[in-house]
Amino acid sequence: GIQVEQSPPDLILQEGANSTLRCNFSDSVNNLQWFHQNPWGQLINLFYIPSGTKQNGRLSATTVATERYSLLYISSSQTTDSGVYFCAVRRKTGNQFYFGTGTSLTVIP
Amino acid sequence: GAVVSQHPSWVICKSGTSVKIECRSLDFQATTMFWYRQFPKQSLMLMATSNEGSKATYEQGVEKDKFLINHASLTLSTLTVTSAHPEDSSFYICSARDDRRIYGYTFGSGTRLTVV
Repeated sequence: GIQVEQSPPDLILQEGANSTLRCNFSDSVNNLQWFHQNPWGQLINLFYIPSGTKQNGRLSATTVATERYSLLYISSSQTTDSGVYFCAVRRKTGNQFYFGTGTSLTVIP
Repeated sequence: GAVVSQHPSWVICKSGTSVKIECRSLDFQATTMFWYRQFPKQSLMLMATSNEGSKATYEQGVEKDKFLINHASLTLSTLTVTSAHPEDSSFYICSARDDRRIYGYTFGSGTRLTVV
């Protein structure tokens, strides 16, 4: 399978701070998604971003497919941003998504 | 946009009972759906691939008699955890592939199962 590594594993931020989460993957992919798992366990899709840059409010993501990494930017963090952020990738062939190990984010007031 | 509804969001059951989790694509047809499991403090791992009208394909190490999958229609797949035990407590999540879009994979919001 594809190895997906995320960094940092844990992150504590003061409310209002900015952060960058990274996802490295070991093989060529044609699908990459970022998810936020809230403290209640629900998985929320943030971005479908196999390449390029997208923005949605305070969040933006960039994937450089040729260098096999993706970045998730969180600006002006809020306590509701707390939770675990996962990236997941899929190869050109096959249906399986490979999830990263996650970044656990805690935003304190 | 494509929406996948997963029900229930959380469930508590007694040891020895069976629990059924539904994964429904609301506005698209999905010949293929997927079931993932997340152990505490860990990432999500694929359990099985569910194909409409045929038997599911299970990943290595997943007991097919313990985790029964039924994909009887193009919009519904169910996962039944049979004779549940505390070690089956976990977060289960489904994903559906939109038949209209090659890269259209949508995830449900997950089900947290606690077996007591």
